[in-house]
Amino acid sequence: DVKVTQSSRYLVKRTGEKVFLECVQDMDHENMFWYRQDPGLGLRLIYFSYDVKMKEKGDIPEGYSVSREKKERFSLILESASTNQTSMYLCASSTYSLGFGANEQYFGPGTRLTVT
Amino acid sequence: AQSVSQHNHHVILSEAASLELGCNYSYGGTVNLFWYVQYPGQHLQLLLKYFSGDPLVKGIKGFEAEFIKSKFSFNLRKPSVQWSDTAEYFCAVNEGNTGKLIFGQGTTLQVKP
Repeated sequence: DVKVTQSSRYLVKRTGEKVFLECVQDMDHENMFWYRQDPGLGLRLIYFSYDVKMKEKGDIPEGYSVSREKKERFSLILESASTNQTSMYLCASSTYSLGFGANEQYFGPGTRLTVT
Repeated sequence: AQSVSQHNHHVILSEAASLELGCNYSYGGTVNLFWYVQYPGQHLQLLLKYFSGDPLVKGIKGFEAEFIKSKFSFNLRKPSVQWSDTAEYFCAVNEGNTGKLIFGQGTTLQVKP
């Protein structure tokens, strides 16, 4: 059974803290993604990675960074958390699309982050 | 820039009513199209997808969607909804050949028993 896990379901952090969100997939997928989900805005892509140590900015990368040292693990880092980063964070993975569009993405359960 | 638009933000239906959720996209090239569902407290999961072939796609739980290329649309349908279909529904389309998906804003469906 396909599985994407995220380190925490709920997280409360203070403004200015450095926050690490971890995501692990067990499907040997090449692609991994970090989104944030906000009401009325759908899913917005923060960063994605096509391979180990490869990363590319998505639509809203400001205030975030990522790390992919191993194929199965993709970490999202909030360098200095701010209240406007309070959100639901979703991790996803997919197989490499070989340049023919995009394959199905498999999602983790999400981390609801509150920054106070 | 490519975009995906879901016209219905919040839909309320009674059980056994028919459902159609609209999805339009802007990309004019080869498209892969997806509908995802998020049940309360659960993770996003795939309802159905279209890559090529028959434009009428059948998915899980009695859902189907029709790809109409001339209208840039991929509307989701179900003939008779159940209370358990209460969820948020997202349409998505590939961003060119990048492997990325662009998601619509989502439609919250509330089914009254």
